[in-house]
Amino acid sequence: EIVLTQSPGTLSLSPGERATLSCRASQSLSSRFLAWYQQKPGQAPRLLIYGASSRATGIPDRFSGSGSGTDFTLTITRLEPEDFAVYSCQQYGSIPKTFGRGTKVEIK
Amino acid sequence: QVQLQQWGAGLLKPSETLSLTCAVYGGSFNDYYWSWIRQPPGTGLEWIGEINHSGRSNYSPSLKSRVAMSVDTSKNQFSLNLNSVTAADTAVYYCARGIEWQDYFYLDVWGTGTTVTV
Repeated sequence: EIVLTQSPGTLSLSPGERATLSCRASQSLSSRFLAWYQQKPGQAPRLLIYGASSRATGIPDRFSGSGSGTDFTLTITRLEPEDFAVYSCQQYGSIPKTFGRGTKVEIK
Repeated sequence: QVQLQQWGAGLLKPSETLSLTCAVYGGSFNDYYWSWIRQPPGTGLEWIGEINHSGRSNYSPSLKSRVAMSVDTSKNQFSLNLNSVTAADTAVYYCARGIEWQDYFYLDVWGTGTTVTV
């Protein structure tokens, strides 16, 4: 089973600042089968990024994904008020399709 | 615009069987993998498994002995059964659509979730 470790656990930032979230895999993810999701309280997760760097339909370009192998990053260039949420990564290249435990981006 | 509507019993006793169903509206049923994910209170997401229209399924090894998924293509529905539940199975359960990219499937549409308490 591939374990995904997300860091930091919590990120305290102000609107307008840049957020950098990390997702590290216990094994190399061939072909970059990694996705990022955003989740707000009481809501289902929302797909942001697939294939490590491809934005899902309707996702603003302030969200970007990068990385390969075992190290992946989600960057939000300028935080908007609606971006404060929990972000989770998931690898979908091997069974079980594991998730990281999430990074909470909170208002400083 | 595809939508997933899910339902099932929300309160169970230990040793009972959890049963949830998810209906797919507004899109094809045959081109995707249909998934179940859960989220225990205050923790992260856990992938339970997936099934396609022909019944081919993949389950998480940690739950495989208790899980069964099925599809009803005549109704565009898929279901989850989890037997012998305990308090550790208390969670919000989500259904989701897996869409193919380079022969692998990521989750692009999610149901609203069902809270199950044991």
